Amino acid sequence: GEDVEQSLFLSVREGDSSVINCTYTDSSSTYLYWYKQEPGAGLQLLTYIFSNMDMKQDQRLTVLLNKKDKHLSLRIADTQTGDSAIYFCAEKMDNQGGKLIFGQGTELSVKP
Amino acid sequence: NAGVTQTPKFQVLKTGQSMTLQCAQDMNHEYMSWYRQDPGMGLRLIHYSVGAGITDQGEVPNGYNVSRSTTEDFPLRLLSAAPSQTSVYFCASKRDSPYEQYFGPGTRLTVT
Repeated sequence: GEDVEQSLFLSVREGDSSVINCTYTDSSSTYLYWYKQEPGAGLQLLTYIFSNMDMKQDQRLTVLLNKKDKHLSLRIADTQTGDSAIYFCAEKMDNQGGKLIFGQGTELSVKP
Repeated sequence: NAGVTQTPKFQVLKTGQSMTLQCAQDMNHEYMSWYRQDPGMGLRLIHYSVGAGITDQGEVPNGYNVSRSTTEDFPLRLLSAAPSQTSVYFCASKRDSPYEQYFGPGTRLTVT
């Protein structure tokens, strides 16, 4: 079935690296995404990775994709208090009209 | 561009009442969708549309109706509100490549 799993909470100190993990089920997904949701707001796309890539780096963000294990991770370097938010991973279901299936979200808390 | 707009931002209904959540986008996206967000459950797809005149059910369609008479608008109707429909509702639209979804700011609905 369709299932994207994330741990619900992560707490780090300011300046440390944060790693948010996600597992997904559809090995044929062509795109995987990370979205950020700040309190009271909608979701904003942070980054995405195409399935033929193992890694993508964008400033403080690094996305790692392990297709064999269906594991996706988001690393935030030098985490700041402004990074406190809920982070969702999502996979695109190519065989279902391209709809996105979201994980439950990981609430990242950054302590000063 | 205004992006994806949703109205109202907040709504309180009594059980059995009906209402329509409005969603509009000005990016000429063909694909639009409605999600509900509940604590610890991530985003769940209610209904989606791949273009004007075409709608389909998502994971949790019961109790909701949609229509898509224009590319811009995708209203979500609750015919007889129930307390289980208390949630935050997000509308999203998507461009073709790389299938990035743009989310509206959300509607917080409480059914008493």
